[in-house]
Amino acid sequence: GAVVSQHPSWVICKSGTSVKIECRSLDFQATTMFWYRQFPKQSLMLMATSNEGSKATYEQGVEKDKFLINHASLTLSTLTVTSAHPEDSSFYICSAEVAGKHEQYFGPGTRLTVT
Amino acid sequence: QKEVEQNSGPLSVPEGAIASLNCTYSDRGSQSFFWYRQYSGKSPELIMSIYSNGDKEDGRFTAQLNKASQYVSLLIRDSQPSDSATYLCAVKETGGGNKLTFGTGTQLKVEL
Repeated sequence: GAVVSQHPSWVICKSGTSVKIECRSLDFQATTMFWYRQFPKQSLMLMATSNEGSKATYEQGVEKDKFLINHASLTLSTLTVTSAHPEDSSFYICSAEVAGKHEQYFGPGTRLTVT
Repeated sequence: QKEVEQNSGPLSVPEGAIASLNCTYSDRGSQSFFWYRQYSGKSPELIMSIYSNGDKEDGRFTAQLNKASQYVSLLIRDSQPSDSATYLCAVKETGGGNKLTFGTGTQLKVEL
């Protein structure tokens, strides 16, 4: 149980284009999902907290107009990187918290390369 | 600022030995603690959660929590080469919604 999927697993896009990443909880409902970014050999950096049916809460320093988050249902959250630039190249990972529990489960991650 | 601290390592142990990973945290009110394992290039995988003082065992893993000392540890018995990974300690913040604060991780190397 507690499986989280992400799609795509990797994506290459050109500078200036937008990329959408999907995060799904497959066997449970997730009222809260989280989006992280991780650069090579660095720790996880929380970007935003996403609650179903409400606006995401962004961490300090994260541009909400650049990283659009939508949490339309209890099993799906999306992150759209708008007008991507090479510095946005990173490993993006979502996690979901099981409703009523404290544990967060991570998706497999999406590796974004912007050329 | 709430902090979670871990020794970055690498911690090297021989195969079959006990690996001991340590973590301290600053938020005295924290109630929920987690250990994640992250292989290179992969996302974190939850291996243990602990909420009460004392020990919690799951297979070869034992998590230990001491809230008075603000200390949480993970013991891995009979270490295997496949245990070689980075282990992340995470603490759920109080008053911060459901956010986790992660340590920077300890790299474990299990040598043949």
